[in-house]
Parts: sequence; C-alpha cells; structure tokens
Amino acid sequence: GEDVEQSLFLSVREGDSSVINCTYTDSSSTYLYWYKQEPGAGLQLLTYIFSNMDMKQDQRLTVLLNKKDKHLSLRIADTQTGDSAIYFCAPLGGYNKLIFGAGTRLAVHP
Amino acid sequence: ETGVTQSPTHLIKTRGQQVTLRCSSQSGHNTVSWYQQALGQGPQFIFQYYREEENGRGNFPPRFSGLQFPNYSSELNVNALELDDSALYLCASSSVAGDITDTQYFGPGTRLTVL
Repeated sequence: GEDVEQSLFLSVREGDSSVINCTYTDSSSTYLYWYKQEPGAGLQLLTYIFSNMDMKQDQRLTVLLNKKDKHLSLRIADTQTGDSAIYFCAPLGGYNKLIFGAGTRLAVHP
Repeated sequence: ETGVTQSPTHLIKTRGQQVTLRCSSQSGHNTVSWYQQALGQGPQFIFQYYREEENGRGNFPPRFSGLQFPNYSSELNVNALELDDSALYLCASSSVAGDITDTQYFGPGTRLTVL
C-alpha cells in the first residue's frame, strides 16, 4: 500500500536548524514534495526532489533522499518563528495523487 | 499566492443535505485534484479531473462526485452529507501532458462543517 510516516512534533530554538524526517512505502514515486501548512490555511509548496537525486538545496532548505531506505528529510537552516507550521512530505503516487501522512508540527521558540 | 481560488471559504450544512464546492485553477493548468483534510490529519486524495473527465479516484464513496469545465475550473459535489464529511476541502491545480505531471499548487481550501 501507499503510506507516509512522520514524527508528529518537533520543537527547536530560533536560529537553530530543524530536521524533519519522513518514511514512505511507494518505491515508484518519481517526485517527492514538501508542503507547509499554517493554521487554517491551504498548503504552500516548499520544495521537491526528483527520485534520481540524493540532495537538493534551495536557499535555507535542504532535502535529502535515501531511496533505498525510502527516507526523505527536510532541513531548515536558521529556523525562524515564521517557520512554525505543519510540514508534510508527499510522494507522488499513482494517478498523479499526492500521498500525505499526518504531518510534523514544528514549534520554534526564542 | 498560487492563483488557485476556492469558494466558498466556509460552509455549514446539516446531515443529509448536498453541497457544491468550487475551484478555479491556476492559469495554464489543465488538471484539478481534490483532497479532504480532516482535523489533525493529512490531506486524503478524493479524485482528479483532466480534460473534463475523472482521472483517478481515492477511497471515497460515489456520493462524492465532481465536474471539470472547459476553462479547467472544477466542482466537488457531496450528496447525503454525513457528520464525518466535516473537513477542509482542498483543490490543487497542475499541468499534465502525457505521462508528465507538473507540481500541484493548492488553493486556500473550503472549511465544511456538517451539523
């Protein structure tokens, strides 16, 4: 089946790096996305990685992909209070559908 | 701002009623996908519309149906509403050409409450 798992909560100090981890089951996913959701809002695309890449850097964001272990991570450098939100990793599955887990709630404290 | 709009923003219905939610896709996109996000959970894929036809469906009953119009906008219809249908309904637009699909961009969602 298609499943995505993330840890539910992460708390970091402002200025530190945050690392959000994700494991998935669908090995055929060609693209793997990261979305951010603030309270009561829709999903904001952060970044994505193609399945034949190991790493992608986009300003403060670094995505690492271990396809063998089906593990994806998102590192946010210099985390700010505005980064507080829920983060979803979403592999692209059959019928071009995104597969979401429950998301990771990131809390940034001073 | 993604350019994807949804209406209405909020909606309150009673059990057994029917509801229609609307989505306008981003300029240049030809595909709309609908997702249901229950409180505290991640979005779940309902279905996708491409070229005015349903192009894939998740694990949702037939009372969830949709339409796509020639301008690529879309409607989600839910009949015989149940309490568990209370959720945030998200639409996402993208561009599909053959086997290639572009990134999905989400609208702000419609919050449906069923009493």
